[in-house]
Amino acid sequence: GQQLNQSPQSMFIQEGEDVSMNCTSSSIFNTWLWYKQDPGEGPVLLIALYKAGELTSNGRLTAQFGITRKDSFLNISASIPSDVGIYFCAGQNKPYNQGGKLIFGQGTELSVKP
Amino acid sequence: GAVVSQHPSRVICKSGTSVKIECRSLDFQATTMFWYRQFPKQSLMLMATSNEGSKATYEQGVEKDKFLINHASLTLSTLTVTSAHPEDSSFYICSARVLGGRVTDTFGSGTRLTVV
Repeated sequence: GQQLNQSPQSMFIQEGEDVSMNCTSSSIFNTWLWYKQDPGEGPVLLIALYKAGELTSNGRLTAQFGITRKDSFLNISASIPSDVGIYFCAGQNKPYNQGGKLIFGQGTELSVKP
Repeated sequence: GAVVSQHPSRVICKSGTSVKIECRSLDFQATTMFWYRQFPKQSLMLMATSNEGSKATYEQGVEKDKFLINHASLTLSTLTVTSAHPEDSSFYICSARVLGGRVTDTFGSGTRLTVV
């Protein structure tokens, strides 16, 4: 089945640094979503992308839907301690009105040193 | 914004008993709900897709008689873990989606199940 390769697996950074993580797929997706999960909680949607090339920001977060529709990246600028958590990319390969399950990346665990 | 409520957040049960987990969309109607299982330090594994008024679709390797899913209304889906065993201990998470709209699956806060 389809798989998403998310990298890096983990990052240890200093407060104030910028962070970048990405996901790649062997096949095309129609939707890319980025989620953050805190320990013991469900994932929370950060950014949703629906068109190839789309670049969307949410505060200090920026994500892009790759032109080839097989990849996406998430950048976090000027990291702060509360950015700590696990970030997941998720893709969906059907038109939005036809349902279809999300396929998740393996996650990127972010640690921020004050 | 869309809110999904999941209960209970934690449950401890004895081997052989059944546990029911509820997933409710509070401010929207969810034609589709999804149930995931997550082991420590791992990604979310989809167990089944639940459509209102129809039988759930289970992923390969997931026992439908063990993990009973009911989606009786547009705001409620339940997952019942039957005859639980210690290996069923895990973090179970639901998500809800409005069909026909853009995909923005909203997740519940998860249920930590411990079978002793």
